[in-house]
Amino acid sequence: QVTLKESGPGILQPSQTLSLTCTFSGFSLSTYGMGVGWIRQPSGKGLEWLANIWWDDDKYYNPSLKNRLTISKDTSNNQAFLKITNVDTADTATYYCARTYNYFDYWGQGVMVTVSS
Amino acid sequence: EIVLTQSPTTTAASPGEKVTITCLASSSVSNMYWYQQKSGASPKLLIYSTSSLASGVPDRFSGSGSGTSYSLTINTMEAEDAATYYCQQWSSNPLTFGSGTKLEIK
Repeated sequence: QVTLKESGPGILQPSQTLSLTCTFSGFSLSTYGMGVGWIRQPSGKGLEWLANIWWDDDKYYNPSLKNRLTISKDTSNNQAFLKITNVDTADTATYYCARTYNYFDYWGQGVMVTVSS
Repeated sequence: EIVLTQSPTTTAASPGEKVTITCLASSSVSNMYWYQQKSGASPKLLIYSTSSLASGVPDRFSGSGSGTSYSLTINTMEAEDAATYYCQQWSSNPLTFGSGTKLEIK
């Protein structure tokens, strides 16, 4: 059974760094072809892809945020991470992690992140 | 960046009615993926590789298309299908989603 669960700070202030963790089970990020992605969704709005990391440590970023994003993984502990630097109120959203091929077949429940002073 | 334009933005259907949602890509893509998101829930994969049904998805859902034009069809609308639907491509970077189609039950 594949499950993913996101965790994060809940609330943070503008200019801080957002650190998110995705803890998963039922698959391994050392398996050929496997990936984990991060997607966010502001309240009442659509989905925005942020970044992906693959079994071979290849990484892809959304160029609209690339300079602010860092994705990484801890294969032995079945975790993936995303850092977003210099956050702003526009980064307020629900953040999802999802298992990836060229699409997202399993999603976490999402974690709400609010950026507010 | 490939822009995906979904239509309609919002629609409503009666139980038993056929529903078609369209996703137009700004450049040709090799495959399209579709997700369903119910209120307060995470998105759920419906269709992968344009026309393959994800595990557990009822066969009243189907996908088709090629090049720049793709569609998701619900053959007979049911109340539980009320949701927002998104298309997605990754034929080229960056991965992009459509802006969503909200489907309501009449």
